[in-house]
Amino acid sequence: SQQGEEDPQALSIQEGENATMNCSYKTSINNLQWYRQNSGRGLVHLILIRSNEREKHSGRLRVTLDTSKKSSSLLITASRAADTASYFCATDRTGGGNKLTFGTGTQLKVEL
Amino acid sequence: GAVVSQHPSWVICKSGTSVKIECRSLDFQATTMFWYRQFPKQSLMLMATSNEGSKATYEQGVEKDKFLINHASLTLSTLTVTSAHPEDSSFYICSARAGQLASGRYEQYFGPGTRLTVT
Repeated sequence: SQQGEEDPQALSIQEGENATMNCSYKTSINNLQWYRQNSGRGLVHLILIRSNEREKHSGRLRVTLDTSKKSSSLLITASRAADTASYFCATDRTGGGNKLTFGTGTQLKVEL
Repeated sequence: GAVVSQHPSWVICKSGTSVKIECRSLDFQATTMFWYRQFPKQSLMLMATSNEGSKATYEQGVEKDKFLINHASLTLSTLTVTSAHPEDSSFYICSARAGQLASGRYEQYFGPGTRLTVT
């Protein structure tokens, strides 16, 4: 079953703007991860945030996690056309055997 | 970083035939491999988890007799789609898990995917 729901489903912005994507989940987690997928390609791991962490940065990426609301957000600052891709959150559920359950994804399009 | 390969990257087959997809961890030993399928513009759905030398564990709703998984070694897992039908057309992605880190988390690496089209 789908653990994560992401919104928006699609997002179109201009280059240089910030892009924010949200992920909500249903059960308790060990960690939450964000992945990127270019059209028709495999997944690239972006960032992992543990359940006891609230915020994490990696380059132009900022991830927040609110376990009380069971939600996370991914912020991409100063977006570039090359950031155009689908972004998925994935949860490592507590007691889930370290299996990842993916969200529905956000399709980001960054226009020049 | 660790590399996971899949072969073939795309395949077209006729309805009723079987197709085998290979997943290899190239520079590490994978104790566990995962198989996902992804429909266009949708998320990845976990199909099964396989551990080397043991039977795969299938997710609810996935037919184990249709999607045969073999994890023959620590670097190779195969997914065979038997008696394929057009509705099996999808993007199949494997993932290989390396050893446990000090944090307790496992590193998991994804292959580039295999696009299957059944005509």
